[in-house]
Amino acid sequence: NAGVTQTPKFRILKIGQSMTLQCAQDMNHNYMYWYRQDPGMGLKLIYYSVGAGITDKGEVPNGYNVSRSTTEDFPLRLELAAPSQTSVYFCASSPGGGKGNTIYFGEGSWLTVV
Amino acid sequence: QKEVEQDPGPLSVPEGAIVSLNCTYSNSAFQYFMWYRQYSRKGPELLMYTYSSGNKEDGRFTAQVDKSSKYISLFIRDSQPSDSATYLCASSLYNQGGKLIFGQGTELSVKP
Repeated sequence: NAGVTQTPKFRILKIGQSMTLQCAQDMNHNYMYWYRQDPGMGLKLIYYSVGAGITDKGEVPNGYNVSRSTTEDFPLRLELAAPSQTSVYFCASSPGGGKGNTIYFGEGSWLTVV
Repeated sequence: QKEVEQDPGPLSVPEGAIVSLNCTYSNSAFQYFMWYRQYSRKGPELLMYTYSSGNKEDGRFTAQVDKSSKYISLFIRDSQPSDSATYLCASSLYNQGGKLIFGQGTELSVKP
């Protein structure tokens, strides 16, 4: 049972480069999310999706883009990487509805922008 | 003011101790309250989930929510070295799915 799978696990980017963090879930969850975690700051919501074709901004969306073409996949795109985007990124999913708040996280992607 | 405040610790206790972890929140509209456990270099895993006020118990873990004082607590009985992790509290509005507001996390170390 894979759950939420994120790739890559680690990545170093140069300032101005772009990249995509991949996320896939095999639990048939409608809701998917991207959070970032900075040291001592907890997790903050970047973007979320309530179903294929539907996405919306979270608390810290600037510098990121997302798409949701299938129920399973929710990639996060970083355009023109900046040092402020050095962080740990977590993808998550939840069933929605009455269980909408029981969300399940992936293992994380460690990104460094230099 | 952060919407969810949590003492970052670190907190160090001997094995077998009772651990009390606490958070406060400012938004009285929050309805869902969660505790996540995060081991080093891993994703958060859901530990306890509570709707509105009250207590919830699961084995050695008890979660309490006091909406009148906007206070969230997690108690760990008979703590074990395997409980050493960062504990994150989180809250959300009703019907807001996984749009969670997290505290900063408390780092707990249980010494054998």
